[in-house]
Amino acid sequence: AQSVTQLDSHVSVSEGTPVLLRCNYSSSYSPSLFWYVQHPNKGLQLLLKYTSAATLVKGINGFEAEFKKSETSFHLTKPSAHMSDAAEYFCVVSDPWGTYKYIFGTGTRLKVLA
Amino acid sequence: DSGVTQTPKHLITATGQRVTLRCSPRSGDLSVYWYQQSLDQGLQFLIQYYNGEERAKGNILERFSAQQFPDLHSELNLSSLELGDSALYFCASSVDITGSGNTIYFGEGSWLTVV
Repeated sequence: AQSVTQLDSHVSVSEGTPVLLRCNYSSSYSPSLFWYVQHPNKGLQLLLKYTSAATLVKGINGFEAEFKKSETSFHLTKPSAHMSDAAEYFCVVSDPWGTYKYIFGTGTRLKVLA
Repeated sequence: DSGVTQTPKHLITATGQRVTLRCSPRSGDLSVYWYQQSLDQGLQFLIQYYNGEERAKGNILERFSAQQFPDLHSELNLSSLELGDSALYFCASSVDITGSGNTIYFGEGSWLTVV
């Protein structure tokens, strides 16, 4: 069965410093992976997705993620945090043959300090 | 704008009552998913429909039911409401049933407060 683990429930960074949100997955086959962002009182918005093409995936708002099969990781990064990046981030793995087609991580709340 | 429309955006109701949440998926999407998000439980998958048929059931209570209509819009019915049902309910849609590589798009959610 597919699973996804977000290693940090909370991350705090200063504005202008790099962001790293960690995600590890478990999959018995080549997975599709996604990162979503949820701003307060808003729906989840797709940041980027990996579907077995390039391992380095670029998303919106300067975010990118690298698929590393050997480490079963799909960490989300951004070179320089902005105040508007403060939100909750969800790592998601698709599970086409499972009951739940999309498996969500428990989320990482990103705080950006001025 | 994801293209997924949910109504109402906010709803306040009393315990024991029944409410219906409505969702219109993105144009062309056949799969609809319902999720519940609360502070203590996080994001919980409730149920999935594909082209009018129920395809997967998650942590959905027996007091809750859903359906997808021929025009592909979906409704989530919550009955005998309890205080603990207060949450943000999301509808999401994707183009097909498989989930493989296809993006799932979320609506803005319906805030339900049970008093």
